[in-house]
Amino acid sequence: SQQGEEDPQALSIQEGENATMNCSYKTSINNLQWYRQNSGRGLVHLILIRSNEREKHSGRLRVTLDTSKKSSSLLITASRAADTASYFCATDAYSGAGSYQLTFGKGTKLSVIP
Amino acid sequence: ETGVTQSPTHLIKTRGQQVTLRCSSQSGHNTVSWYQQALGQGPQFIFQYYREEENGRGNFPPRFSGLQFPNYSSELNVNALELDDSALYLCASSLFPTVSGGEKLFFGSGTQLSVL
Repeated sequence: SQQGEEDPQALSIQEGENATMNCSYKTSINNLQWYRQNSGRGLVHLILIRSNEREKHSGRLRVTLDTSKKSSSLLITASRAADTASYFCATDAYSGAGSYQLTFGKGTKLSVIP
Repeated sequence: ETGVTQSPTHLIKTRGQQVTLRCSSQSGHNTVSWYQQALGQGPQFIFQYYREEENGRGNFPPRFSGLQFPNYSSELNVNALELDDSALYLCASSLFPTVSGGEKLFFGSGTQLSVL
């Protein structure tokens, strides 16, 4: 089952604009990660935010987390054509004995037009 | 490049057949997870292996099984293939998870399986 729901499902912007993607989840989490996927290939880790953090930055990426609303947002500033990809949020659940799984949302498909 | 390699990249099977997918983990990683990604969906957790034993499983039937070898490479086996098994299968390696979690997963490029 999908834990996260990204919003919007698809986003099209001009190069240089900012892109904001949102993620909502259902149960309590330890951490939330964002991943990027190009053209149905492997996912690449972008950024991690822990449940006791509210905001993190990495280069042109800014992630916020609101655990009271069970939501997160990913902001990509000054977008480039190379940012065109699908973006997924993933929440984790540690179930003991080292069992650890990520639960992904359905993703936001971002298109950056040159 | 994540250092995680999967083979084959594409595979076509017919319903009822069996398939084996392979994954070579990134150097230094001792944990491997497998995910299934249907078209237009996010990846779904199948199972995780550590020290050659399964130590976590998602909502997948027993006909999905796996192996992890001493060199941390891994296999995913699917028996009695069904049409709904058509998907991209992703392998991800990582370090053994801690209680606080947050381990970064390093994904391979996946195997695209089509069941006819």
